[in-house]
Amino acid sequence: DGGITQSPKYLFRKEGQNVTLSCEQNLNHDAMYWYRQDPGQGLRLIYYSQIVNDFQKGDIAEGYSVSREKKESFPLTVTSAQKNPTAFYLCASRTTGSGANVLTFGAGSRLTVL
Amino acid sequence: GQQVMQIPQYQHVQEGEDFTTYCNSSTTLSNIQWYKQRPGGHPVFLIQLVKSGEVKKQKRLTFQFGEAKKNSSLHITATQTTDVGTYFCALNQGGKLIFGQGTELSVKP
Repeated sequence: DGGITQSPKYLFRKEGQNVTLSCEQNLNHDAMYWYRQDPGQGLRLIYYSQIVNDFQKGDIAEGYSVSREKKESFPLTVTSAQKNPTAFYLCASRTTGSGANVLTFGAGSRLTVL
Repeated sequence: GQQVMQIPQYQHVQEGEDFTTYCNSSTTLSNIQWYKQRPGGHPVFLIQLVKSGEVKKQKRLTFQFGEAKKNSSLHITATQTTDVGTYFCALNQGGKLIFGQGTELSVKP
């Protein structure tokens, strides 16, 4: 089945540690996205990539980094510079063809900083 | 950039009552999408509206796009417990999708 796989589902980290969240898709989608979800604040865009080896900052990129070395993969690193990293992280992808702009989401990764 | 305001933030209804959530933008939208996120789950695409004044139905769900393409609504008739979740509208801004704050719907049996 085609889809998006995020791992790990749950992650605990100590303050001051970097952590990398994995996102892999086999949908052959060109564009990939990372959103952060906090209670009552909806989904906020962290980073997005419309093509391999290129990515852009979203609205809340500070304290995060990404890479897009392969079409299928878009890992997100939450660095120690992120002041409040505890949140639910959602990865999504979509094609970039005309009319085909629906987002498909992964199941999410819940990060807790202890 | 463009932003979209979504209201209400929460809605508690008795099963069988109707429910409506609204999205409003200060600028004209090219299109608007709606997603549903079940508790503990991830957002799932429901529908996209493109034309001015467009109305689309999916069983008990009715989606509307305003004549000026600045607002949209999702109406659920006779809610059921399976309707529980958070409903988001989303708009395209260049290569990215911007989401409203969402309306969390709870349904009391």
